[in-house]
Amino acid sequence: DIQMTQSPSSLSTSVGDRVTITCRASENINRHLNWYRQKPGKAPELLIYGASNLQDGVPSRFSASGSGTYFTLTISSLQPDDFGTYYCQQSFGSLTWTFGQGTKVEV
Amino acid sequence: EVQLVESGGGLVQPGGSLRLSCAASGFTFNNYWMTWVRQAPGRGLQWVANIKQDESEKYYVDSVKGRFTISRDNAQNSLYLQINSLRGEDTAVYYCGRIEYGSSGRPRIDFWGQGTLVTVSS
Repeated sequence: DIQMTQSPSSLSTSVGDRVTITCRASENINRHLNWYRQKPGKAPELLIYGASNLQDGVPSRFSASGSGTYFTLTISSLQPDDFGTYYCQQSFGSLTWTFGQGTKVEV
Repeated sequence: EVQLVESGGGLVQPGGSLRLSCAASGFTFNNYWMTWVRQAPGRGLQWVANIKQDESEKYYVDSVKGRFTISRDNAQNSLYLQINSLRGEDTAVYYCGRIEYGSSGRPRIDFWGQGTLVTVSS
């Protein structure tokens, strides 16, 4: 099975900060990598798909890049609404998917 | 508006069974793969199962193979998860989701339900 490892596990930030979260896959997943954000008590929401494509309605301060085994999610200027836990997810391996362990962003 | 509404969760004893349902609306249900994802209390997301539009392909995480069965009824716009032989580690919020492939061919979960809680305890 493909394992996904995110870092850091948590970070404490300030409004206006530039934030970068990394996600590593245990094997090549091409660009089959998605990013989600989850707020407490809520369902996750899709932010980025296909490694770098912004989902409709997601603010342009979010960007992402990567391919193969190394991926990043960047928030260019953190806003108060950006708190939550961010997850990467691979959708490559024979339709058996895995999520990273999550990165908790505290503003 | 796309809506996914789960139901069927509750308190069940170890070894018991439940059938979770997900009612879909606002899109052509039989055009999409669907998925179940769960989240144990205070833990991260865990993918559980995927199902193709015509049920010809189903995939499961190893820890639920042989105990969970994903199915769908396209006439009723509904997705199901039959969960048997429940264990304490199955305690979680279970989310259903719609899988979008789009032009890129790279699947993602673009809509999620609000989740239904399954608690396994004696």
